[in-house]
Amino acid sequence: EDQVTQSPEALRLQEGESSSLNCSYTVSGLRGLFWYRQDPGKGPEFLFTLYSAGEEKEKERLKATLTKKESFLHITAPKPEDSATYLCAGVMDSSYKLIFGSGTRLLVRP
Amino acid sequence: DAGITQSPRHKVTETGTPVTLRCHQTENHRYMYWYRQDPGHGLRLIHYSYGVKDTDKGEVSDGYSVSRSKTEDFLLTLESATSSQTSVYFCAISLEQGGNTQYFGPGTRLTVL
Repeated sequence: EDQVTQSPEALRLQEGESSSLNCSYTVSGLRGLFWYRQDPGKGPEFLFTLYSAGEEKEKERLKATLTKKESFLHITAPKPEDSATYLCAGVMDSSYKLIFGSGTRLLVRP
Repeated sequence: DAGITQSPRHKVTETGTPVTLRCHQTENHRYMYWYRQDPGHGLRLIHYSYGVKDTDKGEVSDGYSVSRSKTEDFLLTLESATSSQTSVYFCAISLEQGGNTQYFGPGTRLTVL
């Protein structure tokens, strides 16, 4: 069964304390791996798409990487405004369906 | 913002009543999707549309119907709302299907009493 699993469920960091969020997938024929940020009461906001193993993308303090089995979202020197839930999702080859993980709730304390 | 609005943003209704949620986009994207988000389940696809009057079921479609009479509007209807349909509903759009990025609306919080 195609599945996306995120860990940890929740993560508390001090401002400036770098860390990584994990997204492992068992999606057959992965066509794309997506990262979203979701703030409370809002819709998911697109961050990155990764298409092939070895690919990396960066945006400000965030960097997303992809291997054949998992993706990481690295957060360097986070700030309180980075606090949010981060979602990853995979899409199978020739499919419309995004398979979402349950998310990682990140809290960055000043 | 991806030019997606949802209405209403909040709704409280009673079991057995019909409910229609609206998604409107200004991006002229071909594909539109309806998801629900529940604690412990993440986002799950209800229905999607690949063009005007072209729709198909997602993984949790029972109890829901959709219609798309114009490119910009995608309606989700609960014919007879149940308490299990209390959730947050998100609309999404994409230019293409598959590996193409989906952009999400702000959501509708629906409570069925």
